[in-house]
Amino acid sequence: ETGVTQSPTHLIKTRGQQVTLRCSSQSGHNTVSWYQQALGQGPQFIFQYYREEENGRGNFPPRFSGLQFPNYSSELNVNALELDDSALYLCASSNRGWNEQFFGPGTRLTVL
Amino acid sequence: GQQLNQSPQSMFIQEGEDVSMNCTSSSIFNTWLWYKQDPGEGPVLLIALYKAGELTSNGRLTAQFGITRKDSFLNISASIPSDVGIYFCAGQRTSNFGNEKLTFGTGTRLTIIP
Repeated sequence: ETGVTQSPTHLIKTRGQQVTLRCSSQSGHNTVSWYQQALGQGPQFIFQYYREEENGRGNFPPRFSGLQFPNYSSELNVNALELDDSALYLCASSNRGWNEQFFGPGTRLTVL
Repeated sequence: GQQLNQSPQSMFIQEGEDVSMNCTSSSIFNTWLWYKQDPGEGPVLLIALYKAGELTSNGRLTAQFGITRKDSFLNISASIPSDVGIYFCAGQRTSNFGNEKLTFGTGTRLTIIP
């Protein structure tokens, strides 16, 4: 059974640029959730995807967007990067109807 | 965004000691989850709790779902060096739309003093 994988591991961007982060869900899981974890804090929910549609969104602006593909993998896109977007971005996969979410190793984004 | 209150914020203990930490919320959750996160890695699920009053163990770890559904507790017995890390609680509500978001606590950092 393959766990949740994320790419890239690290990324450095400058203010105003756009970034795409990728996530492959755990084998057998159909739901993907994205979280932002600022340094020294707990993860904050960005949004969740199920059946290729957004299924719930946290308090993040529209420049945070996502996609889910037929194989359940997902992308997180952030436009017009700001310095405060620097964080660890975590992807979690689960199965609809089951409460447990399993996290990937994260992508560390630094915005200069 | 909302974060649940975890205490203590940090703990410095000696190997072999028992550890207790808790998590409180102003609102009710249907599920409580406890995760451990090592530096530079994603959170790893330790224990999941589904029912008020439930007590669940996973090896040396024991967690409880508070009766009010607004709190949860995690105990670690006979701590070992690999227990070092940050422990997060997470609450979840479940609706007809499926699994809702996880709301995380502020974290408890566990350090073992040699």
